[in-house]
Amino acid sequence: TQLLEQSPQFLSIQEGENLTVYCNSSSVFSSLQWYRQEPGEGPVLLVTVVTGGEVKKLKRLTFQFGDARKDSSLHITAAQPGDTGLYLCGSGANSKLTFGKGITLSVRP
Amino acid sequence: SQTIHQWPATLVQPVGSPLSLECTVEGTSNPNLYWYRQAAGRGLQLLFYSVGIGQISSEVPQNLSASRPQDRQFILSSKKLLLSDSGFYLCAWVGRNTEAFFGQGTRLTVV
Repeated sequence: TQLLEQSPQFLSIQEGENLTVYCNSSSVFSSLQWYRQEPGEGPVLLVTVVTGGEVKKLKRLTFQFGDARKDSSLHITAAQPGDTGLYLCGSGANSKLTFGKGITLSVRP
Repeated sequence: SQTIHQWPATLVQPVGSPLSLECTVEGTSNPNLYWYRQAAGRGLQLLFYSVGIGQISSEVPQNLSASRPQDRQFILSSKKLLLSDSGFYLCAWVGRNTEAFFGQGTRLTVV
């Protein structure tokens, strides 16, 4: 089973600040997904990265896939209170889909 | 488009009572379906997954079981709930590139 490590576990920042969070594995990802989850709801897919070195942007969110496809980062520019939530990375192999423990982000107004 | 339904949203059950959570998917055929449990705002623990009718893979030996009686139906069950079964249960179907689409979740409290 592929193990995904996310860091930091918790992050509390002021509105307007920038931040970067990470997802790492000792194994190569075939593809990697990032999700955001709000309390009491299921995670919602943000992005999929597939190619090493790939960069994808979703408004103020920038996702990067490492060249070796073993790591990924999520950068948020000018964070807003609406960005608050649990950010999960996930990946699958042989029909098994596993997730990291998540990053709890709190953006203070 | 594909949608996934999961119910109930919340459930309070006494210790020793049975459990049945249901998940159905619309808009796709032969989906890969998954049950996860999530502890208080943390990561997802894979419980069961199914690649087809009657095909169940168990990841964590425990007090729970799963069944897939129809192509787009996935059920999580228990004969006797334990306090430790409390948690947030999520059903998901997985598309291409292992992208997961989740139900709304069920908050189970065993009292």
